[in-house]
Amino acid sequence: NAGVTQTPKFRVLKTGQSMTLLCAQDMNHEYMYWYRQDPGMGLRLIHYSVGEGTTAKGEVPDGYNVSRLKKQNFLLGLESAAPSQTSVYFCASTAYQETQYFGPGTRLLVL
Amino acid sequence: GQQVMQIPQYQHVQEGEDFTTYCNSSTTLSNIQWYKQRPGGHPVFLIQLVKSGEVKKQKRLTFQFGEAKKNSSLHITATQTTDVGTYFCAGSRNYGQNFVFGPGTRLSVLP
Repeated sequence: NAGVTQTPKFRVLKTGQSMTLLCAQDMNHEYMYWYRQDPGMGLRLIHYSVGEGTTAKGEVPDGYNVSRLKKQNFLLGLESAAPSQTSVYFCASTAYQETQYFGPGTRLLVL
Repeated sequence: GQQVMQIPQYQHVQEGEDFTTYCNSSTTLSNIQWYKQRPGGHPVFLIQLVKSGEVKKQKRLTFQFGEAKKNSSLHITATQTTDVGTYFCAGSRNYGQNFVFGPGTRLSVLP
């Protein structure tokens, strides 16, 4: 099992550009999450999904959109990237309230 | 909203010394999880505590959930260089709701 994978691993964007981050899990988990991690601030929840076809806002959803068309995939989109979105993005999946399995992360730099 | 705090922010210890990090929530929690993140890596689940006053041990690591279920601690006995990393707690107010992560405690171990 690959667990949780994320693509790309690293990306540089110019302000105003758009991009999509892909998260895939092969553990048949219902719950999937997108977090961002900034120095000294831990992990903050952007959006999450409790099942295929469902999404919900987390703590810091502005500037991001998500989709969960297939159970194993959770996409995070940046419509118009801003320097404040420079961060490390982690995807995670879990069965109900159990261990969260994290992907390796995507480092995003917005110039 | 719910806030989760951790102290200290940083801790430098000599190999063989003990280490403790404390996690405090602004609200009563239903359960709390602990994660470890190595430098450049992703968070890895360590343990989940559910019961008031619960104490769990994993080799040299001891986890405790406070009686009021608003605080928790992680204690490492006789630290080793392999313990280096950032330790995060994550609390959930109600079973089934999302977890809020603390900012983490970064541990350095000097050989």
